[in-house]
Amino acid sequence: DTAVSQTPKYLVTQMGNDKSIKCEQNLGHDTMYWYKQDSKKFLKIMFSYNNKELIINETVPNRFSPKSPDKAHLNLHINSLELGDSAVYFCASSQWAEQYFGPGTRLTVT
Amino acid sequence: EDKVVQSPLSLVVHEGDTVTLNCSYEVTNFRSLLWYKQEKKAPTFLFMLTSSGIEKKSGRLSSILDKKELFSILNITATQTGDSAIYLCAVNSGAGSYQLTFGKGTKLSVIP
Repeated sequence: DTAVSQTPKYLVTQMGNDKSIKCEQNLGHDTMYWYKQDSKKFLKIMFSYNNKELIINETVPNRFSPKSPDKAHLNLHINSLELGDSAVYFCASSQWAEQYFGPGTRLTVT
Repeated sequence: EDKVVQSPLSLVVHEGDTVTLNCSYEVTNFRSLLWYKQEKKAPTFLFMLTSSGIEKKSGRLSSILDKKELFSILNITATQTGDSAIYLCAVNSGAGSYQLTFGKGTKLSVIP
């Protein structure tokens, strides 16, 4: 059983397009997160939701908009994609401090 | 701003060697420190440390935290090629949330 799943695993798109990445967790956790991992493997928090409510919103361009329809899902929508958005995006969930990560979505903007 | 610094950034060892990875931190409202292993995909959880001086152990891996000196070490004994990965240190700080601040990781390569 997959604990934290993300779709798609790979996404190749052109600059200026709008795309979404979906995340689902079946662990019953209350908190979900989006991270961006750049080419140097640095993992940085973008957003965190607790029970569908936004609790962390780091300095991220407002082209990125998270949406949590219920506490098991946290989707990430990105408008007007730029070259610098190319990275691996990880979703994670937790009940306490220990976070469980999804497999990642490798986004390539050309 | 919270800061987590890992060293070395990369390390190459031979199978059977023992390695020590370092993580130092400067954060407000420290709550816990976590170690993750990242191979090709998602980081996978190794340890969470909250108290100084208490070693956590899992097989050949062990970790300890020093809250006075603000650092943690991750030891791997009798390394195997399957230990090759990026090891990430993260600190949970801040009241009311479980936000993690990650270090840049240590890339460990174990050669036969």
